[in-house]
Amino acid sequence: GQQVMQIPQYQHVQEGEDFTTYCNSSTTLSNIQWYKQRPGGHPVFLIQLVKSGEVKKQKRLTFQFGEAKKNSSLHITATQTTDVGTYFCAGPVGGGSNYKLTFGKGTLLTVNP
Amino acid sequence: DVKVTQSSRYLVKRTGEKVFLECVQDMDHENMFWYRQDPGLGLRLIYFSYDVKMKEKGDIPEGYSVSREKKERFSLILESASTNQTSMYLCASSSTGGNSPLHFGNGTRLTVT
Repeated sequence: GQQVMQIPQYQHVQEGEDFTTYCNSSTTLSNIQWYKQRPGGHPVFLIQLVKSGEVKKQKRLTFQFGEAKKNSSLHITATQTTDVGTYFCAGPVGGGSNYKLTFGKGTLLTVNP
Repeated sequence: DVKVTQSSRYLVKRTGEKVFLECVQDMDHENMFWYRQDPGLGLRLIYFSYDVKMKEKGDIPEGYSVSREKKERFSLILESASTNQTSMYLCASSSTGGNSPLHFGNGTRLTVT
């Protein structure tokens, strides 16, 4: 089964509120990637984190990689309707090839204008 | 920009039919992947390939096979389609190295009746 857990599964916010999704792995990850999928679209790569404790920002989005490299979070400040979509984390879990990315089940974000 | 093209956006097939899903990428990427996406289950890896004629099983390979005769093309084959293979199928590619981000196609929504 999947070894990357992501919570919450759904999140509904009012426009302007903050949003956070969390990702946890049962094993240490060499890196973690985040993707966004708009309704009716395909996943689009957002960012990759590699270093322990790493924090990266993209405008209103802040991505963190845990010190133990087993967890990560995506935080959106002051959500907008354009943030609607499903956010996935993904990492090379289960040992073996780094080519084999395992995705979390995703967090569906809806924003009420 | 990387372009990953899937041959069909929608496909309807009958139980027992042999189904071919085609994927072509134009960026000379070494790695190609097939995922299926189902509500509540996220993206699950079926097969991937890191070189021409090379393939590795993902998490849910049963009922599927793949073919990679040319670098730019990766085909997913359902030998005998079943209704539980009704799903959204997403092809992706990435450049060499295990940590490279995935570039997804638009997906093929397959319905097996």
